[in-house]
Amino acid sequence: QKEVEQNSGPLSVPEGAIASLNCTYSDRGSQSFFWYRQYSGKSPELIMFIYSNGDKEDGRFTAQLNKASQYVSLLIRDSQPSDSATYLCAVNSAGFQKLVFGTGTRLLVSP
Amino acid sequence: SQTIHQWPATLVQPVGSPLSLECTVEGTSNPNLYWYRQAAGRGLQLLFYSVGIGQISSEVPQNLSASRPQDRQFILSSKKLLLSDSGFYLCAWSVPRGDLFGQGTRLTVV
Repeated sequence: QKEVEQNSGPLSVPEGAIASLNCTYSDRGSQSFFWYRQYSGKSPELIMFIYSNGDKEDGRFTAQLNKASQYVSLLIRDSQPSDSATYLCAVNSAGFQKLVFGTGTRLLVSP
Repeated sequence: SQTIHQWPATLVQPVGSPLSLECTVEGTSNPNLYWYRQAAGRGLQLLFYSVGIGQISSEVPQNLSASRPQDRQFILSSKKLLLSDSGFYLCAWSVPRGDLFGQGTRLTVV
């Protein structure tokens, strides 16, 4: 059973701080990794994807992947109250046509 | 442009009534399509996925079914709803950079 684990939170950070969200996965064959943001009552929105070890930056977001340790993280710099949401990690394995989602980490950014 | 449509946005149905949720995509052909359910405060549960017309894979045994009558249409159905079928139903479409989700249908079974 392929699993993706996330701390449910909430993770509370003050406005302007760096929020660090973590995700571990069990399948060593995993090749694609995605971060989704989900506001309360809304559908998930894809914000980042990463395929290779290392960092990938997009604006205030940085995804970090370490395949040897089987974890992927999302850093949000200069956190804003509008970043308050649940962040879902998803993993895709080679040869599989579906994503496996974690249960999400709730982030709260206080003004 | 690539878009995904899902309706209705909200639905309140009595126990034992039928269900039909529809999802359509635009801007592509032969997409991989998915139905997920998200119970309150819970993660995404994959219900069905389809890689082509008439091809349905079921992930979780339950009183729901799915059909794909056309290339860009995916339908979720039930003959008799249970209280436990309440939740947030999401249609998704697989693109190389990850799955794109429809707006979702919030179903309340009363």
